[in-house]
Amino acid sequence: DGGITQSPKYLFRKEGQNVTLSCEQNLNHDAMYWYRQDPGQGLRLIYYSQIVNDFQKGDIAEGYSVSREKKESFPLTVTSAQKNPTAFYLCASGTGSRETQYFGPGTRLLVL
Amino acid sequence: QKEVEQDPGPLSVPEGAIVSLNCTYSNSAFQYFMWYRQYSRKGPELLMYTYSSGNKEDGRFTAQVDKSSKYISLFIRDSQPSDSATYLCAMRSDTGTASKLTFGTGTRLQVTL
Repeated sequence: DGGITQSPKYLFRKEGQNVTLSCEQNLNHDAMYWYRQDPGQGLRLIYYSQIVNDFQKGDIAEGYSVSREKKESFPLTVTSAQKNPTAFYLCASGTGSRETQYFGPGTRLLVL
Repeated sequence: QKEVEQDPGPLSVPEGAIVSLNCTYSNSAFQYFMWYRQYSRKGPELLMYTYSSGNKEDGRFTAQVDKSSKYISLFIRDSQPSDSATYLCAMRSDTGTASKLTFGTGTRLQVTL
């Protein structure tokens, strides 16, 4: 089955801790994206990557980091610099220009 | 002012009703328009994808785009309880190779028996 997987489904972060959210896709899509979803604010773009070994900041990149070493994988690290990390994190992929995006099931991050 | 405005609802309708969901936008560069359905605690699922002004139909769903008024709509005919979800509109311009989407905040729909 082709699709996007995200893990874990729930993640708990202690203060001062970095945590990494996994995103894998087997759709052979070039582009991958990370969004944050908060109640009443819609989806906001954190980072995106159009090709391997290249990525760009989105609208709210501060406190986050990413890597794109493989076409299939685009992990997101929420660093201790992100002071309000509690949110629903969504990974998406797409073929790039003129195409839309397809989403994974999401990871809910909570702060202990 | 947000680039994309969407009434958050909640919108409650009886089963079988016709539902109209709407978004307005201010950026005239937006050329591609999408509707996503999101069930609680799940990722958004693409429902409709349109480019030109006019209507596009897929089963019980019709997407309508009016670029002159900067207004898009999603109509759901014969609504079912399984349609109860949050509906997100999304749009993007046709610049560069990055497919950056701008989302509305979503409208929560409840279809009652």
